[in-house]
Amino acid sequence: DIQMTQSPSSLSASVGDRVTITCQASQDISNYLNWYQQKPGKAPKLLIDDASNLETGVPSRFSGSGSGTDFTFTISSLQPEDIATYYCQQYDNLPVTFGQGTRLEIK
Amino acid sequence: QVQLVESGGGVVQPGRSLRLSCAASGFTFSSYGMHWVRQAPGKGLEWVAVISYHGTNKYYVDSVKGRFTISRDNSKNTLYLQMNSLRAEDTAVYYCAKDRGLTGYSPDYWGQGALVTVSS
Repeated sequence: DIQMTQSPSSLSASVGDRVTITCQASQDISNYLNWYQQKPGKAPKLLIDDASNLETGVPSRFSGSGSGTDFTFTISSLQPEDIATYYCQQYDNLPVTFGQGTRLEIK
Repeated sequence: QVQLVESGGGVVQPGRSLRLSCAASGFTFSSYGMHWVRQAPGKGLEWVAVISYHGTNKYYVDSVKGRFTISRDNSKNTLYLQMNSLRAEDTAVYYCAKDRGLTGYSPDYWGQGALVTVSS
């Protein structure tokens, strides 16, 4: 199975800060990576697919980059509504696997 | 718009069975693969199973192989998860999710989830 190592596991930042989350795959997954946002009590929402493709309607402050084994998710200017847990997920191979999540809080 | 509504969750004793359903609307159900993903209380996301658009190809995470069965009825726009021999560690919110393609592994839209609690 492909292991996805996400860091940090939690993060506290101020409104307007630039926030970066990293995700490392245990083997080359090309660009077969999604980023999801999950707010408390809600279902996950797909923000970015194919490592860097922003889903329709997702604010442009969100972005993703990387390929192979190393990936980055960035919020360019943190907003209060961005408080959530973020997950990376690889879809290069079965079983589909997720990172352990990054809980983002407002400082 | 895409809508996925899970049902069938509840409290069940260890070793018993439960069947989850997921009613889909807002897209051509028969043209997309479908997933089940679960989340134990306070934990992260764990993929459970995927079924191809026509229902022929099915894949499972090792921990549920031989106990869970994913199926679909394209005439009813409904996805199912039959869960047998349930264990305490199966306690979780179960989400159904639409795939981005016919037979891929990339969930895009998710339902709101159904809570399954396995307890005596």
